[in-house]
Amino acid sequence: GQQVMQIPQYQHVQEGEDFTTYCNSSTTLSNIQWYKQRPGGHPVFLIQLVKSGEVKKQKRLTFQFGEAKKNSSLHITATQTTDVGTYFCAGDGETSGSRLTFGEGTQLTVNP
Amino acid sequence: KAGVTQTPRYLIKTRGQQVTLSCSPISGHRSVSWYQQTPGQGLQFLFEYFSETQRNKGNFPGRFSGRQFSNSRSEMNVSTLELGDSALYLCASSLAGFTYEQYFGPGTRLTVT
Repeated sequence: GQQVMQIPQYQHVQEGEDFTTYCNSSTTLSNIQWYKQRPGGHPVFLIQLVKSGEVKKQKRLTFQFGEAKKNSSLHITATQTTDVGTYFCAGDGETSGSRLTFGEGTQLTVNP
Repeated sequence: KAGVTQTPRYLIKTRGQQVTLSCSPISGHRSVSWYQQTPGQGLQFLFEYFSETQRNKGNFPGRFSGRQFSNSRSEMNVSTLELGDSALYLCASSLAGFTYEQYFGPGTRLTVT
């Protein structure tokens, strides 16, 4: 079945440093979504990428979808303490029978 | 508009018992999905319902079942509980499925003793 792998599992940064998490799928995706879950909270939708090679920006966050639609990345510029949480990618496979497969997540901690 | 609500928020059950969890989606959303979240396994897809029909199912045993009502509210049932069923159960609603953003509820924390 479809697998979505995410690295790194943990990332500790100093406030102001950049952060990147990577997501790789075993199969081609029709779309990929990114979510953020704060400690003790529930996943909150950040963005959806649909097109091959797509790049979207939200303030300090930059999201990319690979040309082959099998990988994606989330980059945060100049992290802040409010960025703390776990970032998940979730892929909807083109042939998976329509389900959202989540990566294991990257847990980000930011030291002030 | 109101977000996704889940009840109860916390639940403690004993091995062998059964449990029913409830999810009320955002008004107008027809798709409801259920996920199990554990520290070791991340977010695992259980099933998705759309217009009262189960449209997709994850790799969970038959002890896990669900249904959706005509008002899109959904319930999830777990029978013969096992210790390993202890987890946060999240439901997510969307307009029409996985090509749309998912709105998650706060979850039900189930502890099986």
